[in-house]
Amino acid sequence: QQQVKQSPQSLIVQKGGISIINCAYENTAFDYFPWYQQFPGKGPALLIAIRPDVSEKKEGRFTISFNKSAKQFSLHIMDSQPGDSATYFCAASRDSGYSTLTFGKGTMLLVSP
Amino acid sequence: GAGVSQSPRYKVAKRGQDVALRCDPISGHVSLFWYQQALGQGPEFLTYFQNEAQLDKSGLPSDRFFAERPEGSVSTLKIQRTQQEDSAVYLCASSLTSGSLSYEQYFGPGTRLTVT
Repeated sequence: QQQVKQSPQSLIVQKGGISIINCAYENTAFDYFPWYQQFPGKGPALLIAIRPDVSEKKEGRFTISFNKSAKQFSLHIMDSQPGDSATYFCAASRDSGYSTLTFGKGTMLLVSP
Repeated sequence: GAGVSQSPRYKVAKRGQDVALRCDPISGHVSLFWYQQALGQGPEFLTYFQNEAQLDKSGLPSDRFFAERPEGSVSTLKIQRTQQEDSAVYLCASSLTSGSLSYEQYFGPGTRLTVT
């Protein structure tokens, strides 16, 4: 049972364009939704995260949009740059005293120069 | 400051061999997690430690997998009698506290295990 579904699997965007990655979750107990960025040979690094009490969070060029009723959230990367080329993972966790992350399968983003 | 470190970075084992993977978390971090990341997939939870106590091992795929953190800092993930399906990147992550507000996990670079 895949609790967090991520799409698309891969994405090619031109420099300066907007990259959009979508995720959907099933477990309504999830209350924390981070996005991780992973470069080849590196571990995932936290990019931005949101909790369900807000519908949008923006940090620089990165924005999370959250739709609680639809159980969906998305990452928007504005003015995409070649340096943004990486694999992006959405994740979710619930408040259980410790925060085990359930990850999506990842989106490989390529920003063409 | 120093992040999470893992060693070795790469490990090739023959099927049936035992392996031990090491994780050095960020100093002072109470929580430590192990994840398994298959090629082209997202990380999947294996086990969780709060200090030296292993509070959740529900993600360990078989009894060939064993993890310990005896002094509440360094952790070792051991895989006995390795099988080809064990080939993956093993990620370690740590976070400052075990409280519900401290969700940020800092990941190490991982150990890529290849079983031949």
